[in-house]
Amino acid sequence: GDSVTQTEGQVALSEEDFLTIHCNYSASGYPTLFWYVQYPGEGPQLLFRASRDKEKGSSRGFEATYDKGTTSFHLRKASVQESDSAVYYCALSDSGGSNAKLTFGKGTKLSVKS
Amino acid sequence: DAGVTQTPRHEVAEKGQTIILKCEPVSGHNDLFWYRQTKIQGLELLSYFRSKSLMEDGGAFKDRFKAEMLNSSFSTLKIQPTEPKDSAVYLCASSQDREVFFGKGTRLTVV
Repeated sequence: GDSVTQTEGQVALSEEDFLTIHCNYSASGYPTLFWYVQYPGEGPQLLFRASRDKEKGSSRGFEATYDKGTTSFHLRKASVQESDSAVYYCALSDSGGSNAKLTFGKGTKLSVKS
Repeated sequence: DAGVTQTPRHEVAEKGQTIILKCEPVSGHNDLFWYRQTKIQGLELLSYFRSKSLMEDGGAFKDRFKAEMLNSSFSTLKIQPTEPKDSAVYLCASSQDREVFFGKGTRLTVV
């Protein structure tokens, strides 16, 4: 079945550091890829998505590029802030079929200190 | 426009009890999901409904977990009987055009 692998379980940075969270996927067909962010006490919320090879998704300074060749969708931000502290989830859904369910990675907890 | 509403936000149950969690999806959304969230496993799909029809029922959870959609604006998740390993956050989500909106979740503690 489909799967998503996030390499980092936790990341600790200082403000203005560069962030990379690695995401690789395995899926049949051509999935749509997502990044979700979850703050304490809240449900996950969509950061952005991408549906085609080489498409870049971006929001709030975060970005990721769909790479079908390496089956990756790595999240990056040039300069993190304390307010970015949250759990980040990479996810995919089967864009070709009628099934809208999301398959999630295990999440990466980002802690940013000032 | 109201988001996904889940009640209660917190639930404490004794082992062996039956509990029912409730969810109101975003109005007009056709897809509804129940997920379980734990630190070790992350987000695991429990059930998936499309237009009130059950599309997927998480195999590992069929035993004691039952989700229902009584109408297009209300869903329940029943856990019967509860076990301590069921302690987790239960998230309900609804979807339109593949954009999934989550509720704030119900934190269940089974003692």
